[in-house]
Amino acid sequence: AQSVTQLDSQVPVFEEAPVELRCNYSSSVSVYLFWYVQYPNQGLQLLLKYLSGSTLVKGINGFEAEFNKSQTSFHLRKPSVHISDTAEYFCAVSDSGGGADGLTFGKGTHLIIQP
Amino acid sequence: GAVVSQHPSWVICKSGTSVKIECRSLDFQATTMFWYRQFPKQSLMLMATSNEGSKATYEQGVEKDKFLINHASLTLSTLTVTSAHPEDSSFYICSARSGTGYSPLHFGNGTRLTVT
Repeated sequence: AQSVTQLDSQVPVFEEAPVELRCNYSSSVSVYLFWYVQYPNQGLQLLLKYLSGSTLVKGINGFEAEFNKSQTSFHLRKPSVHISDTAEYFCAVSDSGGGADGLTFGKGTHLIIQP
Repeated sequence: GAVVSQHPSWVICKSGTSVKIECRSLDFQATTMFWYRQFPKQSLMLMATSNEGSKATYEQGVEKDKFLINHASLTLSTLTVTSAHPEDSSFYICSARSGTGYSPLHFGNGTRLTVT
């Protein structure tokens, strides 16, 4: 079984400040890790993913995340946020077994950008 | 990029009626589609997984007779909420994948169901 923990339900940040959204996972097998963003009343958009290789992953909209196997973490970062980054962010994990497996999502972190 | 179209975006229905939600992959063939349910300010909960041409696999606690899923083709899956009740009111999101477990999911924009 696998699980995802997003420690912060809400993160307020001033515009142009850096931000880190935390994500920890647990799994008995190797995992693939994802960050998705959800704007109000919309589906999810993929920000970035870690499958293998370099532990630092760069995504869209200036976001990046670092996979840390020893700490079982996949924290999302952005050096300078914008008002338009206000949204709900979900960390998700999929095991490497392949096949038709869905994602296991964390509970989400609401990023609030303050002017 | 891969686009998943979900329709309708919102629907209001009376208690006891049935509602069908469509999920289409517009520019790729979706071997697997997933249906999620999201309660306000909460995460997405996987309801079921469907593969084209076969019966859907439901997660524990999801009533298969209430939430009927049909994956009729490689580009279309439907979720029918039968005999809807107010507690079925929620945000339903579909997603589709063209490959195996490491292929990213592409999400529809969701359907807001309100049962009165």
